[in-house]
Amino acid sequence: KAGVTQTPRYLIKTRGQQVTLSCSPISGHRSVSWYQQTPGQGLQFLFEYFSETQRNKGNFPGRFSGRQFSNSRSEMNVSTLELGDSALYLCASSLIGTVSYEQYFGPGTRLTVT
Amino acid sequence: KNEVEQSPQNLTAQEGEFITINCSYSVGISALHWLQQHPGGGIVSLFMLSSGKKKHGRLIATINIQEKHSSLHITASHPRDSAVYICAVGSGGSNYKLTFGKGTLLTVNP
Repeated sequence: KAGVTQTPRYLIKTRGQQVTLSCSPISGHRSVSWYQQTPGQGLQFLFEYFSETQRNKGNFPGRFSGRQFSNSRSEMNVSTLELGDSALYLCASSLIGTVSYEQYFGPGTRLTVT
Repeated sequence: KNEVEQSPQNLTAQEGEFITINCSYSVGISALHWLQQHPGGGIVSLFMLSSGKKKHGRLIATINIQEKHSSLHITASHPRDSAVYICAVGSGGSNYKLTFGKGTLLTVNP
């Protein structure tokens, strides 16, 4: 069974631009969570989508948004990029997304904002 | 104070040594996860536990719910175990989310 895939793997953007990242979960998994990892803050939860609905959201500004499609693929969007948005963005999928199911992480998208 | 504290932050060991990484948390949790991250970013889930102890190969994870503490042990450590080990707690019921510790950088020298 194929793992979680994320595209693109690397991205360089300029301040003020917007970016869209994509995540394809493991087949059959309905929950997709997004995380931001920076050297200073470590890993932080962005949001979780389940059956095309955002079920939970972390403490990030409204510039960070996401969506999930009927095939469970998910995208996250960051508008008006800031230098501080440079980070590794990870998504993880799980079968149902409750506490009973472990999360499978993708390889991440490394975003650099200049 | 962070909700999830890990210690030590950095750990250097010789091949074959017994390794312990600790995780303490301050919130009520539904489950605790131990994750491994190698250079380059990929994260692998090692354990998810809500009570007691789990073992997988040379790795053992324990949790004490009353004391809000978990440990990850590596027996007979090997250089390929070198990685960042991250503790994460899951909480929130229907609004379940993970809160992460800062990680422990483990280096195992041959």
